[in-house]
Amino acid sequence: AQTVTQSQPEMSVQEAETVTLSCTYDTSESDYYLFWYKQPPSRQMILVIRQEAYKQQNATENRFSVNFQKAAKSFSLKISDSQLGDAAMYFCASSTGNQFYFGTGTSLTVIP
Amino acid sequence: NAGVTQTPKFQVLKTGQSMTLQCAQDMNHNSMYWYRQDPGMGLRLIYYSASEGTTDKGEVPNGYNVSRLNKREFSLRLESAAPSQTSVYFCATEDGPNTGELFFGEGSRLTVL
Repeated sequence: AQTVTQSQPEMSVQEAETVTLSCTYDTSESDYYLFWYKQPPSRQMILVIRQEAYKQQNATENRFSVNFQKAAKSFSLKISDSQLGDAAMYFCASSTGNQFYFGTGTSLTVIP
Repeated sequence: NAGVTQTPKFQVLKTGQSMTLQCAQDMNHNSMYWYRQDPGMGLRLIYYSASEGTTDKGEVPNGYNVSRLNKREFSLRLESAAPSQTSVYFCATEDGPNTGELFFGEGSRLTVL
């Protein structure tokens, strides 16, 4: 089994500033994916960014980027130029095959 | 463009009652999942179905049964609801094993009194 740990239950950021959400994971698999999902107050989860473990290059999606440190089993999410719409719960997750493992989430507040 | 549709969105049950949560997808995805979300615990997998006709237990299957009726539909049944099953339930789909992206429904909030 894999475990995913998010040690920051809550974070806040000023609008237009940058924030980094932390995530560590533990797996014995060599082939796996890592993800960040966003859950706004409406509850529906949406994928923010995905990283294949075999790729050394960090994934980026517009204002969202990750810092993937495979040896340290660390997978942090950086949100640049934070916007009010970024306020949500963020879940880090890992997967192998049909098995997805989620962290406990980080609640992000964006301060106007 | 419906995606993943869950019904009902809200339900209140008394202990011992039974009910079924329905999930339907129009994305032609092979894999379907049922998760529960509890405060401070993230999402935990109840059951999943890798393809039509197959189902497998996840992390927390006790007290639940599932049916993969066809490729589109995956239902979750509580035969005798307990207060510990009060939670928000999410159905999700994936195009195939290890494609890496789950598509979620809007969730169903279940309260068991």
